[in-house]
Amino acid sequence: SYVLTQPPSVSAAPGETALITCGGNNIGSKYVHWYQQRPGQAPLLVLHYNTDRPSGIPERFTGSNSGDTATLTITRVEAADEADYFCQVSDSVVFGGGTKLTVL
Amino acid sequence: QVQMVQSGAEVKRPGSSVKVTCKTSGATFRNIGVTWVRRAPGQGLEWIGSFAPMFRRALYADKFKGKVTITADESTNTVYMDLNSLTFEDTAVYFCARDLGASSPLDPWGQGTLVTVSS
Repeated sequence: SYVLTQPPSVSAAPGETALITCGGNNIGSKYVHWYQQRPGQAPLLVLHYNTDRPSGIPERFTGSNSGDTATLTITRVEAADEADYFCQVSDSVVFGGGTKLTVL
Repeated sequence: QVQMVQSGAEVKRPGSSVKVTCKTSGATFRNIGVTWVRRAPGQGLEWIGSFAPMFRRALYADKFKGKVTITADESTNTVYMDLNSLTFEDTAVYFCARDLGASSPLDPWGQGTLVTVSS
């Protein structure tokens, strides 16, 4: 089965930029969706189809996908962004292992 | 606006079964696919299975074949997930989410149901 690899943790200070990667074999040929999960809450879709933001998601959340790596970029990080982030490829319900974003 | 509302928390003994419900609203039920995902303590998101009301058919992850049954009641716009032969490793928060199939994302999600397996 298809494997998605994420770093277990990423940290950033408020105002800085956080990069969360999702690696997979030729992932650039697939669509990638990203979910944010805060403690005690359900996952929330923050990016779909690599780069599209659902209604209500700040412009600070952007994405890219090429080659073997998809990336979620969060600019001007805020305390409220502290959460676990999961990637998912579009052609299966497979998730990456998740990345915990810590806001310093 | 589509909403997914799940049943409340459960505490179960090892070896027993649990049924978690997911009531949908805001769209024609036959057009709402539902996927079940769980998150165990300290773990990531794990796909359990998916149900397509239009086809009245469920698909299951290999790990959960024989352990999970997903069904639906169109009259109440509700999808059910039955989990049997519970073990301590089944302790997790279980989520349902709308799944439009093809390459669509899972959105929105239910609030989650905590299932605790304890002796």
